[in-house]
Amino acid sequence: DAGVTQSPTHLIKTRGQQVTLRCSPKSGHDTVSWYQQALGQGPQFIFQYYEEEERQRGNFPDRFSGHQFPNYSSELNVNALLLGDSALYLCASSDDPSGAQYFGPGTRLTVL
Amino acid sequence: AQSVTQLDSQVPVFEEAPVELRCNYSSSVSVYLFWYVQYPNQGLQLLLKYLSGSTLVKGINGFEAEFNKSQTSFHLRKPSVHISDTAEYFCAVILPSQTSYDKVIFGPGTSLSVIP
Repeated sequence: DAGVTQSPTHLIKTRGQQVTLRCSPKSGHDTVSWYQQALGQGPQFIFQYYEEEERQRGNFPDRFSGHQFPNYSSELNVNALLLGDSALYLCASSDDPSGAQYFGPGTRLTVL
Repeated sequence: AQSVTQLDSQVPVFEEAPVELRCNYSSSVSVYLFWYVQYPNQGLQLLLKYLSGSTLVKGINGFEAEFNKSQTSFHLRKPSVHISDTAEYFCAVILPSQTSYDKVIFGPGTSLSVIP
């Protein structure tokens, strides 16, 4: 059983560009959450999707948007990239009512 | 609003010695508590969780944590560490609700370095 998978592994963009990151949840998991982890910091919650709708959102601007597909996979889109958007972006899935989550390996985004 | 504090940003410890990683949280209501581990260049892995009941929780890889409501703490312990335990450790909280769980709040992390 494959765990949470993310693509691409690494990505380099320039300021002002747009980026799309992809996530496939662990089999059977219907909830997907996205996190931004800056270097040396803990993950910061971006948003969570359930049944193709955004259910929760953290303190991130509207430049960050997402989507969940009927097969529960998800995309994170970031528009008008800033240097400060450089980070590891983590996807996590869950089917646990307690909120315990399974994390993917992340996508390392570098904005130049 | 909930918050999580991990007082020690770095903890060096010799191999086979015991270790305690400290976590304190702030919340006016009951929360669920978690410890995650992040090995270099990897995602996070759940070590253990506390929802209710016994205050001593056992997790994977020989780790355990004790919930202390009066001190709002959830410290992680291991009686004897191995080189392979070198990693970043994150404490996290969730505010449970009736229909779904709230967003996860992570602490800043503690870097555990095991010295041979």
